[in-house]
Amino acid sequence: AQSVTQPDIHITVSEGASLELRCNYSYGATPYLFWYVQSPGQGLQLLLKYFSGDTLVQGIKGFEAEFKRSQSSFNLRKPSVHWSDAAEYFCAVGAGGGFKTIFGAGTRLFVKA
Amino acid sequence: EPEVTQTPSHQVTQMGQEVILRCVPISNHLYFYWYRQILGQKVEFLVSFYNNEISEKSEIFDDQFSVERPDGSNFTLKIRSTKLEDSAMYFCASRRDEGGYTFGSGTRLTVV
Repeated sequence: AQSVTQPDIHITVSEGASLELRCNYSYGATPYLFWYVQSPGQGLQLLLKYFSGDTLVQGIKGFEAEFKRSQSSFNLRKPSVHWSDAAEYFCAVGAGGGFKTIFGAGTRLFVKA
Repeated sequence: EPEVTQTPSHQVTQMGQEVILRCVPISNHLYFYWYRQILGQKVEFLVSFYNNEISEKSEIFDDQFSVERPDGSNFTLKIRSTKLEDSAMYFCASRRDEGGYTFGSGTRLTVV
């Protein structure tokens, strides 16, 4: 069965520091992988996606993610975090005929001054 | 930037009542979805809709739920007889092809 694991429930980083949010997936074929961000009380915004090709994908707001097939991982990174990046981040995998998306449990990012 | 619009933003209803949550997907998108997020929990798939029919649904999407695209622009989720455990944020999403979804801002449903 398809699944997504985000091992960190929450992470705190200092403003200006680098960030890496971990994501591991389980899927039988080459997955479609996504990262979404959700600010409190808001909807989900797509940060970036991976379907095929270059395993390092660039997204909005300065985020990038790297697909590593051997590790079944799709970690999200940002070189320098801003206070406005504080939010919940969801890793997701696209699966099934209806292309439903399965979400991880999310990682809440706190940014300290 | 095109948006998915959901109305209302917040709905309070009494247990046992019917509710209809409304969504206007992006006009040239072909696939439509409903997800829900119970407070503090993960986002859960409910149903996908393509070519005027349900293409996939989850175990959550039982006989109390239905979806409709009545007029080519709106996409609705109906819950026939709400239960307390239906309280959640409901997200509509649409996509055109094999891209990521565009999500609406959600409808917070509170069943009392």
